[in-house]
Amino acid sequence: DTGVSQDPRHKITKRGQNVTFRCDPISEHNRLYWYRQTLGQGPEFLTYFQNEAQLEKSRLLSDRFSAERPKGSFSTLEIQRTEQGDSAMYLCASTPHVGSGANVLTFGAGSRLTVL
Amino acid sequence: GQQLNQSPQSMFIQEGEDVSMNCTSSSIFNTWLWYKQEPGEGPVLLIALYKAGELTSNGRLTAQFGITRKDSFLNISASIPSDVGIYFCAGPNYGGSQGNLIFGKGTKLSVKP
Repeated sequence: DTGVSQDPRHKITKRGQNVTFRCDPISEHNRLYWYRQTLGQGPEFLTYFQNEAQLEKSRLLSDRFSAERPKGSFSTLEIQRTEQGDSAMYLCASTPHVGSGANVLTFGAGSRLTVL
Repeated sequence: GQQLNQSPQSMFIQEGEDVSMNCTSSSIFNTWLWYKQEPGEGPVLLIALYKAGELTSNGRLTAQFGITRKDSFLNISASIPSDVGIYFCAGPNYGGSQGNLIFGKGTKLSVKP
């Protein structure tokens, strides 16, 4: 197992374009998270899946953002009509744990988005 | 809302020196997590703390869960160049799901060989 994989690692796009990021969690991890990290800040929670169900969404996740986890395995995060303020590192994380242990997340290396 | 304040914001130390950093909150936490992030990578968990007063070590790293449950400390002994990175504290976002974490802004550590 190679850990949490994210693709692409880097994406440069023009304002107004759509982008999609993919996350492959560790295979037995049923809980998957998306976070966003801007320069000089810690990661901020965006959304959470348990298996294929999206159970929580942050206010940061505007209607231009959509996340899916169709078969409870990999997940995609799509940003429509990108804005310069969307430039950030998008981090995926997963965990197999329940209870307080579910706060122990394994993060991927992230997908860095630059919107010109 | 909940906020985690990390101190110092950055440190520039000599190899071999010990390092101390802390994280404070205005609200009580029942879990404290310390992560390290290197450039271009995601955060990697260093230590997880679950009980007030708990002291846990991971190699040269030692972290403590403050008695008031509003703070946590991370110490690194005998620093080496590969300790360079940003150290984040994190805790559960109350009202959120398990795994919905609040992070501090980080302490950036630079080590001079």
